[in-house]
Formats: sequence, C-alpha cells, structure tokens
Amino acid sequence: LAKTTQPISMDSYEGQEVNITCSHNNIATNDYITWYQQFPSQGPRFIIQGYKTKVTNEVASLFIPADRKSSTLSLPRVSLSDTAVYYCLVGRNTGFQKLVFGTGTRLLVSP
Amino acid sequence: NAGVMQNPRHLVRRRGQEARLRCSPMKGHSHVYWYRQLPEEGLKFMVYLQKENIIDESGMPKERFSAEFPKEGPSILRIQQVVRGDSAAYFCASSPDEGGANTEAFFGQGTRLTVV
Repeated sequence: LAKTTQPISMDSYEGQEVNITCSHNNIATNDYITWYQQFPSQGPRFIIQGYKTKVTNEVASLFIPADRKSSTLSLPRVSLSDTAVYYCLVGRNTGFQKLVFGTGTRLLVSP
Repeated sequence: NAGVMQNPRHLVRRRGQEARLRCSPMKGHSHVYWYRQLPEEGLKFMVYLQKENIIDESGMPKERFSAEFPKEGPSILRIQQVVRGDSAAYFCASSPDEGGANTEAFFGQGTRLTVV
C-alpha cells in the first residue's frame, strides 16, 4: 500500500479556503485517493474519493495532478465545525482491502 | 438504515479482566474492520473479517486479542487479561458487499476502553 505524507497541522480562520496536500509518491496504477474526516470522539467519515484530475462534491474538492504523486483536498469557506483531523488514504480500486491511516492533518479553524 | 453500531460506548475494566467489544455493521454489509486509536494518534488497523472468516489479521497482537464475525450476530473483538496499555478507542467499520472503486467504509462511534 502506498505511503502518504501530510502536514501534521494547519490553522485557518472562518470563511477562508483551506487546502491540504498529501504526497503519495509510490501510488500504483490501480490506486484511488480517498480522504476521511474525524471529529474528536467520533469515527472517521468519508469525504471524497478520486483517481485523477478533479472531483467535487457538496463538501469538498479533490485535485489530483497528472502524475498522481500528490493530491490536494480543498475545503471552501471553512467554519468552526470543520475543525477536525483529515486523513489521506491510497488504495486499489478493486476488491476489498484494509484502510491504512497515517497521522493525518489536524485542522484548527478559529473565529 | 442505521449506521454502524458499537457497544458499549465506554468500557472500564480492571487489569486482568476480559473486554468484549461489539460491532453491528450496516445492513447489507458483510465486511467488518477493527481499528485501534491511541490518544492523539492515527487509527491503526487490527483485523478485517468477512462473515465467519478472518481475511487479514496482520494488525492484531499475537496474544490476548481475538476477533470473530459469526453468521448471526455482531462482530466481537475480545481482549483477554487486559493491561493498561490496552486503553484506547476501538473503532469498527463496515463496507458493502459490492467492492471496487466506490467501496466507502462506514465507521461506528467507537468504544473507549479504559483499563484501571
């Protein structure tokens, strides 16, 4: 499974756009990139998943360059409730496999 | 459709006792994963089960820990003779029977085990 590297923490203010970048230099052809969000005392929650270029849903956007060695999770106009740990995961797109979580990025949104 | 249900939410055990953590996956999900999370750390994979079978237990400690997912009933993570180092949050996740690129895992609220 491809290893991922993310910043340990990030700070932002309400209303700003937050971009969290994840490096995955050893990503394989069949690997997808998935982001999870975890609030304190709760289990992780799926945010978004992509393979290449750009994916957007009601929560976030995911930007993946052509070489797929990194990806950027973009949170538009964050609020206090977006304070959480964000995990970037990489895994193949077929069958089942365990999810391997790194240390994640701790995002703190201030007023 | 209820989410992944874990119980109890909080469990206190004395050293040497047994801890049993239960996980009921979402309806229609036959794949269950257990993770452990220490304070201020990421989730560590423990075991992956599919109905009555252990698929991957590479993250399970060799001793005292066991997991099962019987044909009927919830998945059980059992920790025998608990020690203080077992204190952690234990999360269960399930995923639907159809696999592939859109296999999203759904997590429960976790069981917080405290060993005193």
